[in-house]
Amino acid sequence: ELKVEQNPLFLSMQEGKNYTIYCNYSTTSDRLYWYRQDPGKSLESLFVLLSNGAVKQEGRLMASLDTKARLSTLHITAAVHDLSATYFCAVDTGGFKTIFGAGTRLFVKA
Amino acid sequence: DSGVTQTPKHLITATGQRVTLRCSPRSGDLSVYWYQQSLDQGLQFLIQYYNGEERAKGNILERFSAQQFPDLHSELNLSSLELGDSALYFCASSVTPGRRGPRTDTQYFGPGTRLTVL
Repeated sequence: ELKVEQNPLFLSMQEGKNYTIYCNYSTTSDRLYWYRQDPGKSLESLFVLLSNGAVKQEGRLMASLDTKARLSTLHITAAVHDLSATYFCAVDTGGFKTIFGAGTRLFVKA
Repeated sequence: DSGVTQTPKHLITATGQRVTLRCSPRSGDLSVYWYQQSLDQGLQFLIQYYNGEERAKGNILERFSAQQFPDLHSELNLSSLELGDSALYFCASSVTPGRRGPRTDTQYFGPGTRLTVL
């Protein structure tokens, strides 16, 4: 059964700093997603990564995928308070199921 | 606004009761997914429908059932409710072609239904 592990689960960082969230998954998959969830709100799609070596960037967030290592990273550059949210990675099992990680709660201190 | 609508927003009911949650996907999306989000279990995939047919099942209890109608809206039925069923229930939709291809299958999430079982 596919397992998706994120770390850290909680991250408190200062504005202006850089940090990386890691997402490991246990079996082969060629589709990985990153979502953002604000408290009490729904999930918003950030990135879809479809192939080995894929890299996507939007603003201060950059996501990458290494299918051989079964690892995706979400890198935050020069964090700002507005990035405070919970970030989920999710992986397609190949059987039309999507398995989500536990989420990383990010708090950016002003 | 993702374009996915869910009703009701909040639902408070008692143990043993039955409720129905409704979801309308984005225009043009054929797939509907249901998820349960709770503090202890995280975000759990329940079930997926594609163009009216069940396509994948996750951690869905036997007390729960779902269907997708010809107009593509979907309903999630929860019966014999227990305290532990209290959670946020999300519906998501995606295009999902009939076979896997170059599409992204990005899922667009609705605002959720918060279910409280007392």
